[in-house]
Amino acid sequence: GNSVTQMEGPVTLSEEAFLTINCTYTATGYPSLFWYVQYPGEGLQLLLKATKADDKGSNKGFEATYRKETTSFHLEKGSVQVSDSAVYFCALSGTNDYKLSFGAGTTVTVRA
Amino acid sequence: DGGITQSPKYLFRKEGQNVTLSCEQNLNHDAMYWYRQDPGQGLRLIYYSQIVNDFQKGDIAEGYSVSREKKESFPLTVTSAQKNPTAFYLCASSISAGFTDTQYFGPGTRLTVL
Repeated sequence: GNSVTQMEGPVTLSEEAFLTINCTYTATGYPSLFWYVQYPGEGLQLLLKATKADDKGSNKGFEATYRKETTSFHLEKGSVQVSDSAVYFCALSGTNDYKLSFGAGTTVTVRA
Repeated sequence: DGGITQSPKYLFRKEGQNVTLSCEQNLNHDAMYWYRQDPGQGLRLIYYSQIVNDFQKGDIAEGYSVSREKKESFPLTVTSAQKNPTAFYLCASSISAGFTDTQYFGPGTRLTVL
């Protein structure tokens, strides 16, 4: 079945540091890939998505590229802020699925 | 503003009691979903509905029930048969159940069984 493996946390960074969170997946065909962000006590918000190979999703300075050859969708941001402190989830939706399959989440803390 | 509302935000229940979590959306979405989130884990699908009057079991449906009588509403009942119900419950919706469609999430309900 479909599955997502993402980098374990927690990750602690200083403001303006570079952030990368690794995400790899297992799926048949060409799934759609998503990054969601969850702030403390809240629901999930879509951060970005990509629906076909080589697509790059981007939003709020975050980027991720759908790499079919390495089955990866790593999240990056060049200069993080304290407000980026949150839990980040990588997820996929398979071509035969109606559900999202989630990674375990990566907790990111940015210090001033 | 369009969005998804869940109520209540916090819910406490005694063992052996059924409890119903509310989920309403005004996005005119056909598909709705219930997920469960446990600490340090990703979300797991409980039930989903592609259209009114139809719903399907997800990966962890045992001990839960749902109904979809109206397009905008998808309530979840946590029954006394659910062995470990304490968790954070998230409702989501999407325009359809297509695999490229984005799922939008509500703010969640935290259920604690005392």
